[in-house]
Amino acid sequence: GQQVMQIPQYQHVQEGEDFTTYCNSSTTLSNIQWYKQRPGGHPVFLIQLVKSGEVKKQKRLTFQFGEAKKNSSLHITATQTTDVGTYFCAAQNYGGATNKLIFGTGTLLAVQP
Amino acid sequence: DAMVIQNPRYQVTQFGKPVTLSCSQTLNHNVMYWYQQKSSQAPKLLFHYYDKDFNNEADTPDNFQSRRPNTSFCFLDIRSPGLGDAAMYLCATGNDRGLGQPQHFGDGTRLSIL
Repeated sequence: GQQVMQIPQYQHVQEGEDFTTYCNSSTTLSNIQWYKQRPGGHPVFLIQLVKSGEVKKQKRLTFQFGEAKKNSSLHITATQTTDVGTYFCAAQNYGGATNKLIFGTGTLLAVQP
Repeated sequence: DAMVIQNPRYQVTQFGKPVTLSCSQTLNHNVMYWYQQKSSQAPKLLFHYYDKDFNNEADTPDNFQSRRPNTSFCFLDIRSPGLGDAAMYLCATGNDRGLGQPQHFGDGTRLSIL
């Protein structure tokens, strides 16, 4: 079946450093969503990317969708302690089914003050 | 505020004793999902309802069942919990079959098995 892998599995940074997580799918995607899960919390929707090569920004967060629509990245500039959590990409494929998500393996971000 | 509510937040049950987790939503979304999330892992979809249509994932054990009596409520029943079923159970909702619809998660129920 379809697999969605993320690297790195874990990243520890000093506050103010940048952070990037990469998401790779074994198949071409219709779109990709990103979620953040704080420790002890639930996944919270951040953004969705649909178009090939799309780039979207949310303040210090930059999201990219690859040209082949098989990979994506999330980059955080100048991390803050509030950025701590696990970042999941989640893939969708349009095939007549409901908007079922295939979650990536996740990247846990730790930020040291 | 419109939201997804899961009860209870924490549930302790005995090995083999049936347990039911509940989820309610005020978003009026027609799709409801149940995920199992174990420590340091991604949420794993167990099944979902589109309106009253039940969609089971191929690898969901028969031990797990679900009911959706109306749009607002959905239940997860674990008939004979084993130690391996200890996990966080997340309920989520989504709007229609359309692509690009975010899922809205509840706070989850953390299930412990004694």
